[in-house]
Amino acid sequence: GENVEQHPSTLSVQEGDSAVIKCTYSDSASNYFPWYKQELGKRPQLIIDIRSNVGEKKDQRIAVTLNKTAKHFSLHITETQPEDSAVYFCAASLGGSYIPTFGRGTSLIVHP
Amino acid sequence: DAGVIQSPRHEVTEMGQEVTLRCKPISGHNSLFWYRQTMMRGLELLIYFNNNVPIDDSGMPEDRFSAKMPNASFSTLKIQPSEPRDSAVYFCASSFTSGGDNEQFFGPGTRLTVL
Repeated sequence: GENVEQHPSTLSVQEGDSAVIKCTYSDSASNYFPWYKQELGKRPQLIIDIRSNVGEKKDQRIAVTLNKTAKHFSLHITETQPEDSAVYFCAASLGGSYIPTFGRGTSLIVHP
Repeated sequence: DAGVIQSPRHEVTEMGQEVTLRCKPISGHNSLFWYRQTMMRGLELLIYFNNNVPIDDSGMPEDRFSAKMPNASFSTLKIQPSEPRDSAVYFCASSFTSGGDNEQFFGPGTRLTVL
């Protein structure tokens, strides 16, 4: 089955800095890579996703990059704000299985 | 749409008791997932239904856990008998999967405490 590794487990930055979270996956057949944000005590919510036919996707201050050859993808958050503080999960889905494998999560702390 | 609805939001029970968690997916979604979240193990997939049929239950920890989806708008996750190590937040999520994977919409979760 698919295996997703996520790093770092904790990331602390100053407001305004950039934050990068990296994930690797094991199965080259995976073709859907969503990122979820979970605020304390809340449910995970999708913030951005990318499919294997695209190398990069941006949405305002967040972007995701995908390197299929190396089997890794990353989340980039620019100009971080305190409200970005949350746990971020990456996931990978094996094409057509509809079952995502989640990483262990990264706790992002943005200091004002 | 009100989103994915779960009940109860909090459940405190004693070891050995039966626990039933409920989920109403978003109307029109054809896939439903049950997850368990703990600090130690992260977000674990327990079972996945597609068109009300269980497709993958390999994540169900043991026979004490069972899940049903009698129709497209309702699913239950039952633990009988419950044990303290079952204490966790249980999320239900739904999505529309046709021709490719899509966003999962999570419910608010049920925080289960087994004493």
